[in-house]
Amino acid sequence: KQEVTQIPAALSVPEGENLVLNCSFTDSAIYNLQWFRQDPGKGLTSLLLIQSSQREQTSGRLNASLDKSSGRSTLYIAASQPGDSATYLCAVVNAGGTSYGKLTFGQGTILTVHP
Amino acid sequence: DAGVIQSPRHEVTEMGQEVTLRCKPISGHDYLFWYRQTMMRGLELLIYFNNNVPIDDSGMPEDRFSAKMPNASFSTLKIQPSEPRDSAVYFCASSRGARPGNTIYFGEGSWLTVV
Repeated sequence: KQEVTQIPAALSVPEGENLVLNCSFTDSAIYNLQWFRQDPGKGLTSLLLIQSSQREQTSGRLNASLDKSSGRSTLYIAASQPGDSATYLCAVVNAGGTSYGKLTFGQGTILTVHP
Repeated sequence: DAGVIQSPRHEVTEMGQEVTLRCKPISGHDYLFWYRQTMMRGLELLIYFNNNVPIDDSGMPEDRFSAKMPNASFSTLKIQPSEPRDSAVYFCASSRGARPGNTIYFGEGSWLTVV
C-alpha cells in the first residue's frame, strides 16, 4: 500500500527566505506526483504536476523535483512571501491502477511566512 | 469555467439524520472523485466514477455511505444515518481523460458537522 510522508509538518519562516518542503513515498511505481496548495477553509489548488518520466517542473517561484527511484520529491519556494502561507500537500498516482486521478496524499506541511 | 461546484458548503446535522452532499463537475470532465479530509486521517479517496459509472468504492467507510452519478453533470454522496465520526470536509474533484498529465480539480468542499 502506498504511503506518502511529508516533512516538516509545519514550518515558519521570515519573508524573503528560500525554503524546501519534502515528500517521500514508499512505492516508486507511480504515474505522477502533484503538489497542491490548500488555504484555510478552501479546496485544493494544483501547483505543479511531475510525470514519472520527468525530473522537475517549474512555475514562477516554485520548483518541484522528483527522484522516483528513491521515492522523493521536493518543493522549492524562492523568495517566500506572506501570501505563500498555506498548507502544501504532496500526492501521487500509482501505476497499474485504473485511474490517473486516484491520488494518495501526504498529511501536508503547514507553511507560515511572516513579514 | 466555474470550476467544481459543491453544496452545501457547510452543514450541521444531528446524529441519525440523513445527509446529502452534491457536486457538479467541470463540464467535459469524465472522472469524478469524492474525497474526505479529517485531521486524523488526512485526505482519503472514498469513491470515483468514470463516465458516470462507479469504478472503485473501496474507500467508502461503510454501508451508511452511498454515492451516485445519474448524469455527467451531477453526483451525490449520501450518509444515512449520520454519526459524529462522519464530521469532516468532503471534497469533490474532477478531471478530463485518463492520462498521467491530467490535472485534477477540486471543489471548495462541504464542511459537515454531526452533533
